[in-house]
Amino acid sequence: DVKVTQSSRYLVKRTGEKVFLECVQDMDHENMFWYRQDPGLGLRLIYFSYDVKMKEKGDIPEGYSVSREKKERFSLILESASTNQTSMYLCASAIQQGNTEAFFGQGTRLTVV
Amino acid sequence: AQSVTQLGSHVSVSEGALVLLRCNYSSSVPPYLFWYVQYPNQGLQLLLKYTTGATLVKGINGFEAEFKKSETSFHLTKPSAHMSDAAEYFCAVSGNNQGGKLIFGQGTELSVKP
Repeated sequence: DVKVTQSSRYLVKRTGEKVFLECVQDMDHENMFWYRQDPGLGLRLIYFSYDVKMKEKGDIPEGYSVSREKKERFSLILESASTNQTSMYLCASAIQQGNTEAFFGQGTRLTVV
Repeated sequence: AQSVTQLGSHVSVSEGALVLLRCNYSSSVPPYLFWYVQYPNQGLQLLLKYTTGATLVKGINGFEAEFKKSETSFHLTKPSAHMSDAAEYFCAVSGNNQGGKLIFGQGTELSVKP
């Protein structure tokens, strides 16, 4: 089975802190994604990466950055956390072929106080 | 551009009743369509997907969906609801050449009454 593992299930951080969310996949997938989930809005794409050191902005990249130094690992960085970044963050991975599904991690619920 | 609309943020059915969750999409290219389920405090799990071929797609846990191009719809159904079906359901569309890059609907929370 594909496994996508997010390093934390729950995080509480203070406003202004730099926050790192880590994600690791074990299926040698080329593509990796960070989505944000909010009630009534579904999931929205923050950033994705289709190769090591490659990244592209999604629909809501403001206030976030990403890093992909190794194929299996994709990190989401909140440079200066704000309360409006309190949300559920979901990491996903997929092969590059266009008609394939994404495999999701368990999610990280981040609260910024 | 692509978009997904799920009609009804909350749907409640009785155990044993038909489940119908509605999804309409907009896409300028032939779409790939997905339904995911999310149980409380968990990630998303794929229920089923349509890429090409047969328009009636069967998935896990007795769910199925029909792709109707003329109606731009991909509604999810299950003949008989179980208590364990209570969860949030997301419809998603993809049409580009990047696997996993999905546009999601707003989600529909399904409640099942005994």
